[in-house]
Amino acid sequence: DTAVSQTPKYLVTQMGNDKSIKCEQNLGHDTMYWYKQDSKKFLKIMFSYNNKELIINETVPNRFSPKSPDKAHLNLHINSLELGDSAVYFCASSQESAGGNSPLHFGNGTRLTVT
Amino acid sequence: AQSVSQHNHHVILSEAASLELGCNYSYGGTVNLFWYVQYPGQHLQLLLKYFSGDPLVKGIKGFEAEFIKSKFSFNLRKPSVQWSDTAEYFCAVTHTGGFKTIFGAGTRLFVKA
Repeated sequence: DTAVSQTPKYLVTQMGNDKSIKCEQNLGHDTMYWYKQDSKKFLKIMFSYNNKELIINETVPNRFSPKSPDKAHLNLHINSLELGDSAVYFCASSQESAGGNSPLHFGNGTRLTVT
Repeated sequence: AQSVSQHNHHVILSEAASLELGCNYSYGGTVNLFWYVQYPGQHLQLLLKYFSGDPLVKGIKGFEAEFIKSKFSFNLRKPSVQWSDTAEYFCAVTHTGGFKTIFGAGTRLFVKA
């Protein structure tokens, strides 16, 4: 009965490869996010989708492409991976129809290591 | 632009000591404020939140936070910490109607047994 689940948990790959991370939430939330947490634990928002519509697209390289097939899913595809992409990527969801009051529910994270 | 500042990057306390972690935000409008905790190797979990009403909010595990509007602050407190409180603590803010949660840089708390 995991609320926000993302796969894989660990991802080790070489520079130049393309990889995807998947996220699913069963909370019925209307908004999903991708956050990147660097080695110093700093959390930065990357993307946000509300009802499958992209509403936040921070200054992220266009090698990163999110896709939301429906409200419950938000995947992240990364092309041409670089060393600097190594980080923990967190998926999160919230109910934004509450007007910003809804806290974020996070997945367990995907630790991406690019060698 | 909105920003969140956490003053203490690393805090080391002994068990039973009192804790206060500072958080200041910059945004002139109505805000929603949160504290999240990340235990080692885990994801972030909500500790407590403030939207309106009583500026002193109580969360899980004996934590509380006080919203002081005039100081743009939302400090986290706990009267007596335990070893199991060792974690990273993040202050966060959204503005009412917004979709974007801004996080502070986090404070790493280590509690000595």
